Amino acid sequence: EVQLLESGGGLVLPGGSLRLSCVASGFIFGDSAMSWVRQAPGKGLEWVSSISTSGTSTYHADSVKGRFTTSRDNSMNTLHLQMTSLRGEDTAVYYCTKLMGIRASGTIPHDFWGRGTLVTVSS
Amino acid sequence: DIQMTQSPSTLAASVGDRVTITCRASQSINQWLAWYQQKPGKAPKLLISDAFQLQSGVPSRFSGSGIGTEFTLTISSLQPDDFATYFCQQYNSYSRTFGPGTKLVVK
Repeated sequence: EVQLLESGGGLVLPGGSLRLSCVASGFIFGDSAMSWVRQAPGKGLEWVSSISTSGTSTYHADSVKGRFTTSRDNSMNTLHLQMTSLRGEDTAVYYCTKLMGIRASGTIPHDFWGRGTLVTVSS
Repeated sequence: DIQMTQSPSTLAASVGDRVTITCRASQSINQWLAWYQQKPGKAPKLLISDAFQLQSGVPSRFSGSGIGTEFTLTISSLQPDDFATYFCQQYNSYSRTFGPGTKLVVK
């Protein structure tokens, strides 16, 4: 059974930093591209980033480019999202998702999702 | 970026009804469209990929169609478990975008 378990969310001041992690199990982590998707309270879904199987290719939404960094440790079956210069509009539940294949650049959907971790940016 | 729209934003229906949700892309996305179901407080669940490919374990009352810029999700006979919010998503490029969602509520 595929499981994705996010951690690292919490309350952070505007301008602060936070690092999210996602531990994966139930599939060969190194064979799947991965992604982060967020959902602001009461709002829709927004793709945040994707990363290739090796971690050498990453893609980020314009709204987070230059502030967020996505990485992975295949030896630990773990995906990370390093968030800096956080803003109020970054407040959301952040979902770790598995992509249905190896191509982080597109043409594959998110086939499994974690339960999410809440990030609140507020003073 | 490719913009996605969905209609209606809210759909009131009864158990046993046939319902259709429409999703439109601002430019052609070929068949690279998925439908997700989300219930309150839960993560989204992939129902359909590549516009019409039903995922394993998803009831056959769900179906998808379309290509290019216009797509539909149809539930042939609504069941109590189907009341939820449905999102479409294009993944034609790395910059994936979701539709705003359609909330399916009890009439």
